[in-house]
Parts: sequence; C-alpha cells; structure tokens
Amino acid sequence: GDSVTQMEGPVTLSEEAFLTINCTYTATGYPSLFWYVQYPGEGLQLLLKATKADDKGSNKGFEATYRKETTSFHLEKGSVQVSDSAVYFCALSSGGSQGNLIFGKGTKLSVKP
Amino acid sequence: KAGVTQTPRYLIKTRGQQVTLSCSPISGHRSVSWYQQTPGQGLQFLFEYFSETQRNKGNFPGRFSGRQFSNSRSEMNVSTLELGDSALYLCASSLGSSGGRTDTQYFGPGTRLTVL
Repeated sequence: GDSVTQMEGPVTLSEEAFLTINCTYTATGYPSLFWYVQYPGEGLQLLLKATKADDKGSNKGFEATYRKETTSFHLEKGSVQVSDSAVYFCALSSGGSQGNLIFGKGTKLSVKP
Repeated sequence: KAGVTQTPRYLIKTRGQQVTLSCSPISGHRSVSWYQQTPGQGLQFLFEYFSETQRNKGNFPGRFSGRQFSNSRSEMNVSTLELGDSALYLCASSLGSSGGRTDTQYFGPGTRLTVL
C-alpha cells in the first residue's frame, strides 16, 4: 500500500541555518503531497502542498518540490528561526476511496538561538 | 472563517468506560476525518464521513465508531476503553466534494484522551 518515509529526528540547528527534511513516498497512483507542522500542544497546520509532478509548494519561507522521478518531496528553508521549532509531517493523499492522508512518522526540529 | 473545533480538549477515563468526542468542521466543509496520534504508532487514520455517510475507514477495531450530522458536525465514540486508547484524537475537515487527492484537510487542536 501507499506509504511515506521521512528522515528520523530530532534535528537540531542553530538560528539562520539551512534546513532540509527528507521525505520519500510510495504510491500506486499520482498522489498529492503535503507538509504539515505541529507546534507543542496543538493540532496540525498545513504548511504547503503540491498536487502534481514538478509543482513547488511554498509558504513562510519553506519550500518543497514534487519530484516524481525520485518519489520525493523534501522540505527546505534557507534560514530557520527559533519559532520554527516544531514537529514536521510529510503526508500523501491518493484520492478516490482512499482520500485519507497517510503520514510519515514526523521529524522534530529544534532551533537554538 | 472559524477553524475546526474539537471538544473537549482533555479527557480522563478509566478502562472499560466509553467516551464521545465532538468535532465541528469549518463552515462549508462537508467531509470530516478522524485520526489517532500516539508516540509509538504516529498518525493513523480512523474514518471519514461525508454527507452523513462513512466514506472511508481505517484499520481499527469496531470499538471505534463515528457519525456525522446534517450540519456536518461529527462525533466519534470509543467503547470499552483500553489503556492503549490513550492518544491525541485529531479531527480534520475538508470540502470533500471532489473526494479526491487534491482535497486539503484542515485540522482541529485535538482531544487528549487519557485512559487510566
């Protein structure tokens, strides 16, 4: 079945460092891909999404490009801030009767001042 | 536009009891999905309701059930609680009309259930 694999955490960076969180997927069709972020004690917030190959999603300085050839959707940010400390989840949706989201395990990011 | 709301935010129950959680979707959204989040299993899909009908179901025992009302509000029920049911239960809403892969789900803050 469909699945998402993302890099294990935790990831600890200094403020203004470059961030990459790897995400790869397995899907039989052409899924949509999402990144969600979860701050302590809160639910999930949609960070960005891409619905077809070569689409780039972007929001709040974060970017991810849907790469069909490598089945990847890596999250990047050029300069992280302390306020970016959270858990990041990569997810896919294949649609149809399987319109639910399938999530990766999550990557915890800690940014130090 | 108000976001997804869930009540209650916290619950403490004992083994064998049952519990009902409530979710109010974003106005205009007709699909409501439920997820269970635990440290060990991560985020797992429970079920989805659209127009008062269960449209999709995850791999959970029959103790977990849900329903949706005509105003799209949804409830989930867990009967005969077990210690392993302790989790954050998240509700998400979406337009749902496309029923498809591009439908974006928006999450509520969750209900933290502790089973003693």
